[in-house]
Order: sequence, then C-alpha cells, then structure tokens
Amino acid sequence: NAGVMQNPRHLVRRRGQEARLRCSPMKGHSHVYWYRQLPEEGLKFMVYLQKENIIDESGMPKERFSAEFPKEGPSILRIQQVVRGDSAAYFCASSRRGTDNSPLHFGNGTRLTVT
Amino acid sequence: AQTVTQSQPEMSVQEAETVTLSCTYDTSENNYYLFWYKQPPSRQMILVIRQEAYKQQNATENRFSVNFQKAAKSFSLKISDSQLGDTAMYFCAFILMDSNYQLIWGAGTKLIIKP
Repeated sequence: NAGVMQNPRHLVRRRGQEARLRCSPMKGHSHVYWYRQLPEEGLKFMVYLQKENIIDESGMPKERFSAEFPKEGPSILRIQQVVRGDSAAYFCASSRRGTDNSPLHFGNGTRLTVT
Repeated sequence: AQTVTQSQPEMSVQEAETVTLSCTYDTSENNYYLFWYKQPPSRQMILVIRQEAYKQQNATENRFSVNFQKAAKSFSLKISDSQLGDTAMYFCAFILMDSNYQLIWGAGTKLIIKP
C-alpha cells in the first residue's frame, strides 16, 4: 500500500512564476492536509480538503495561494507569482476520515526554492 | 492560544546512550492527543509515539517512551539504547480531540547520534 506521494521532490522557480505541488493521498483516504515547513520551524497548517471541498483554509495566505482536491486525481497546491519568502518545504498528509483522530500520514514533501 | 515549546534546538549523544527530548505545551482544553514525529534527512515525517491526554499511563513503543505530566503540560520523549538511525529532527505536536487537522507543532530538536 503506497504511502502519501508528493511530487516533485524539488521544485525551483524564479520570482513571478507559478508553482504547482501535487499530492496523492494514501489509498482509501479522502482527507488531505497541506503544511508548510519554514527553515528551523515546525509545520504550519495551511489547508484541509476533502474530495471537491475545501474544509478549512484558515492557514493559507489569502493571496496567490490556492488548493484543490478534485474528484479524480491528486490534490494540487498552487502558488502564483512566487516570491523568495515562499521558499520552504511543503508537506501533504492524508487520513481516512476527518473525525477519527487517527494520526496523519505524511508524504516526503516538496522543497520549493524561489530564485 | 495553543503553543508547543521544544527548548533544545540540538542534542548530541553517543550510540547506545539514553536521551530525553523535552516538550512543553499550553492549552486551555482538557482533551487532546500528543505526538512525537521524527523527520530523518529523507524529510518524511514518521510518527514515533502517540499519547491520549485522558490516559495516565505513559505510552511506549519499543525503545521510545514518553513522560507525560498533564498538570505540568510536559511531554518528554525518551529514547533508550540510541542508534545511528535515530539521527533526525524530532517534532512534538498536539491536537485537540474535536479536530484532527489543526496540529500545533514545536520548532523541533535536532538529535545527532554519534558512533
């Protein structure tokens, strides 16, 4: 049973370009969560999605950031017009249900570098 | 506001020694889960151990155990017979029982096991 798959592992973008980060949850999981890890910090919650729905986006910047989890295919975290401050590791996690308090399963993360 | 504090940015011990990583947290809630996650150089986030706040008995997983002091809001991780593969960043986190996505994270402790 494959774990949470994130790609790409490394992504380099110039300032002003768009970054698209993909996350395929574990089989049978319909809840996806995105986190951002800044250097020397813990993970910061960004957004929680179920299939075709955004449940909680309270941790996501209001501008330039968006997330989706379509009926088919992976969840996408999209960052438009990237800036140097967006450089970080972005982690995706998934769970089977949103209310059972099971530990989240994390992917390996995508390291975004903005030059 | 909920917070998690890991006061040791970095620790280093010899292989086979026992090491304790400290974690304190602050919440006004009474029911929550506490976690220790390990992040090796591969950047995968691996659940090490989990503790339900309503349980008085400290959780153990093989060489890993916790010292949970609810009144003091302390949740330290003890690693016995440390191994080279234990070298990693360790993050302490907690989550309220009515939500499984708003993980509150500490800044992490870098643990180095020396041969």
